[in-house]
Amino acid sequence: GAVVSQHPSRVICKSGTSVKIECRSLDFQATTMFWYRQFPKQSLMLMATSNEGSKATYEQGVEKDKFLINHASLTLSTLTVTSAHPEDSSFYICSARILTPGQNNSPLHFGNGTRLTVT
Amino acid sequence: AQKITQTQPGMFVQEKEAVTLDCTYDTSDQSYGLFWYKQPSSGEMIFLIYQGSYDEQNATEGRYSLNFQKARKSANLVISASQLGDSAMYFCAIENYGGSQGNLIFGKGTKLSVKP
Repeated sequence: GAVVSQHPSRVICKSGTSVKIECRSLDFQATTMFWYRQFPKQSLMLMATSNEGSKATYEQGVEKDKFLINHASLTLSTLTVTSAHPEDSSFYICSARILTPGQNNSPLHFGNGTRLTVT
Repeated sequence: AQKITQTQPGMFVQEKEAVTLDCTYDTSDQSYGLFWYKQPSSGEMIFLIYQGSYDEQNATEGRYSLNFQKARKSANLVISASQLGDSAMYFCAIENYGGSQGNLIFGKGTKLSVKP
């Protein structure tokens, strides 16, 4: 079953508005979550690393004021696309890792993604 | 810098046959992990299989196996007995353990179509 839940799965908004996307870890605590962006027919690109209780770490070229990340609890990270524009239309997907004691290299588990369309 | 190359944008396979999806990688790190994910048209990313750089044996998970050739820096995915539900995009990814955790670098993907 799913271990990472992402909501909403689809959202359509008007240009200039803000959209919040939630990512929850199910049945485990995630001190770190990751946000990716995927354009049509392209691969996933890491946008930022969300750290519980501290500031997110953004990848080069990603505007931190545009993509606000809040990781206020051990099971929830949110990505807010502020003042969205049509070029922000994309597939956003979050992920987290279940850390097993003694196992350093567990896979990332992904949410089902959010398809954002800005009109 | 790390890089993943998937040279097959699209592949066709007959149902019940085996298929190999190619993946080569480039990294200067000694410690890294290689992952394969499946992405159906619905969009979710499904973890399939993992190979650590120090694992001497090829990873296997059910119908999935990873042909890991470290000297050639290749990590091909083999799907045996293909099923119609295997039709999807397949991404190979690498994570260097000396760098930022979670910084998975993905290839461009291979679209697999299984024919009945």
